[in-house]
Amino acid sequence: GQSLEQPSEVTAVEGAIVQINCTYQTSGFYGLSWYQQHDGGAPTFLSYNALDGLEETGRFSSFLSRSDSYGYLLLQELQMKDSASYFCAVRTYGQNFVFGPGTRLSVLP
Amino acid sequence: EPEVTQTPSHQVTQMGQEVILRCVPISNHLYFYWYRQILGQKVEFLVSFYNNEISEKSEIFDDQFSVERPDGSNFTLKIRSTKLEDSAMYFCASMGLAEGKYNEQFFGPGTRLTVL
Repeated sequence: GQSLEQPSEVTAVEGAIVQINCTYQTSGFYGLSWYQQHDGGAPTFLSYNALDGLEETGRFSSFLSRSDSYGYLLLQELQMKDSASYFCAVRTYGQNFVFGPGTRLSVLP
Repeated sequence: EPEVTQTPSHQVTQMGQEVILRCVPISNHLYFYWYRQILGQKVEFLVSFYNNEISEKSEIFDDQFSVERPDGSNFTLKIRSTKLEDSAMYFCASMGLAEGKYNEQFFGPGTRLTVL
C-alpha cells in the first residue's frame, strides 16, 4: 500500500523559519516532490529530491533521507504569501506520483 | 510560459449523466495525469497516460471513468454515469523530459465538478 504522513497544520509568523515533515511508506520509491497550493488554486511544483541530502531553491529547501523514509520542506524568511497548503508526493515507479494529505501553513503578521 | 489549460472551469450535472472534462497539456510533454481533490482534502491520483495508453490507474478509476487523447493536443476524462461522490475538483497535469524538469508536473487550473 501507499502511505504518506504530514502534519495537518502549521502556524508561524512572518520572517520565521518553518519545517514541514513528510514520512512515507510506498511500494517503490524514486523520489520525493513538494507542491504548494493556494486556496482555490492548482498545485505548483516546488522541488524534487531523488538523492539523500538538502536541495536549496531560494527561500525554500527540501531534504530527503531515503534510509529513514523521511523528508522535509524548509521555508525561510516566511512571507504572508507563503500561507498555503503544502503537499509531499512520492514518485513511486514509472512516472507515477502519490500525494500526501497536505499541511496547511498559516503565516501570521 | 507554456501552461496546461482545462475546460470547463465549472461543470454542474445531474446524477447519472455523462460528463467530459477537457485538458490541453503542454505541447511537448509526454506524460499526462488526471487527479481529483475533494474540497479541503488531498490530491488523489486517478490515472496516468503515456504513449497513447494508460500506464497506471488507481482504485478510484473504475469502469465509469475513461481517458482519451483524441488528437495531438487534447486529453479528456469521461465519467459515464456521475455519482454524488464524484463532486470534486479535477486537475489535469502534464510532465516532460526537459533537462532539470524531468520530475516536475505542471497542473492545469482544474475543473470543479458538481453532481446534483
